[in-house]
Amino acid sequence: GAVVSQHPSRVICKSGTSVKIECRSLDFQATTMFWYRQFPKQSLMLMATSNEGSKATYEQGVEKDKFLINHASLTLSTLTVTSAHPEDSSFYICSARPGQGRHEKLFFGSGTQLSVL
Amino acid sequence: AQSVAQPEDQVNVAEGNPLTVKCTYSVSGNPYLFWYVQYPNRGLQFLLKYITGDNLVKGSYGFEAEFNKSQTSFHLKKPSALVSDSALYFCAVRDITSGNTPLVFGKGTRLSVIA
Repeated sequence: GAVVSQHPSRVICKSGTSVKIECRSLDFQATTMFWYRQFPKQSLMLMATSNEGSKATYEQGVEKDKFLINHASLTLSTLTVTSAHPEDSSFYICSARPGQGRHEKLFFGSGTQLSVL
Repeated sequence: AQSVAQPEDQVNVAEGNPLTVKCTYSVSGNPYLFWYVQYPNRGLQFLLKYITGDNLVKGSYGFEAEFNKSQTSFHLKKPSALVSDSALYFCAVRDITSGNTPLVFGKGTRLSVIA
């Protein structure tokens, strides 16, 4: 089946630094990838939709200058948390859809636990 | 706007008993409905989906879900629970009247199966 690789799985950083999270579709091309954020004991919150070759579409309330998304190829999307602060500590998950069909199921990365000290 | 509600934060069930995890949805058009499971320290895994056709959908690990349009529900069920089914379950919906839309997830329900 389709595989989505997300790296790193865990990162600890100092406040004020930037952190990059990579999301790769290993055996399929994904023109669209999605970035979610999961707070403890809460649901997944969609942050942005990443489109290959174009600007990402951010959900309301998500700072695009803080959460930089780059989707430079059909198999790679990156999320950079710039000038991270403790409130950015969270679990970030990417997902991708192999096809363009509306019913195509999403495949998820294993997530990245970000801890900002 | 589409939304999903999972009214139960936690569901406890004894091993061998049937289990139900509830989900209701709201969309302006017709829904595509999904169930995902999240095991500890792992990513989300697809369980099953409803697109069209038979209202009873069978998925992985013996799970099934029934699409009920009148009640706008898509409850997840399993006839006999296993301890290994203990995990976090997410219901998700996509409104098919739109284009390349993402899934909207419910808040999740933690299932604990007790031996």
